[in-house]
Amino acid sequence: GAVVSQHPSWVICKSGTSVKIECRSLDFQATTMFWYRQFPKQSLMLMATSNEGSKATYEQGVEKDKFLINHASLTLSTLTVTSAHPEDSSFYICSAPGQGGGNTIYFGEGSWLTVV
Amino acid sequence: RKEVEQDPGPFNVPEGATVAFNCTYSNSASQSFFWYRQDCRKEPKLLMSVYSSGNEDGRFTAQLNRASQYISLLIRDSKLSDSATYLCVVFPGGSYIPTFGRGTSLIVHP
Repeated sequence: GAVVSQHPSWVICKSGTSVKIECRSLDFQATTMFWYRQFPKQSLMLMATSNEGSKATYEQGVEKDKFLINHASLTLSTLTVTSAHPEDSSFYICSAPGQGGGNTIYFGEGSWLTVV
Repeated sequence: RKEVEQDPGPFNVPEGATVAFNCTYSNSASQSFFWYRQDCRKEPKLLMSVYSSGNEDGRFTAQLNRASQYISLLIRDSKLSDSATYLCVVFPGGSYIPTFGRGTSLIVHP
């Protein structure tokens, strides 16, 4: 079964509105989570590293005021796309490092965002 | 040069064929390597780790060539269900943040 749950799977929103995507770790605590964006036929691009109890670390070129990340608990990180525009339409996916080393990656199921 | 490079394909092969993908990485200090499989509109799923000595899992064989800085994935006796995008994942030395290749698309046809 899934160890990282992401919600919603699909969302369509109007241009100018905000959308929140949740990423939950199930049965384990994740002090760090990663948020990626993937455009069609492209690789996963790391947007930011979400850190529990502190500010997220954003990758170069990612607007932190547009993509708000909150990691208020050890099992939940949220990504809010503010004032969404059609060019923000993409596949957003979170992941959490596995426990015990070994560079295991647990992915959420991903969220398809379409801004109309 | 990109950190992790893959031929995007698509590789279009008949059932039963053998197909191989390569992935090159630029950071010589990279320590961990993986192949992930991603189906259309789904999250990536771990296919197999790549060990220095090479490793095999059924029809799948992964190899690491540190001297030339690439990893490979060999799929024998391709099945229709193998159709997917195969992502190369590399962990730079000392980092817990993975770098993804853009993926290689495989299409297996009857």
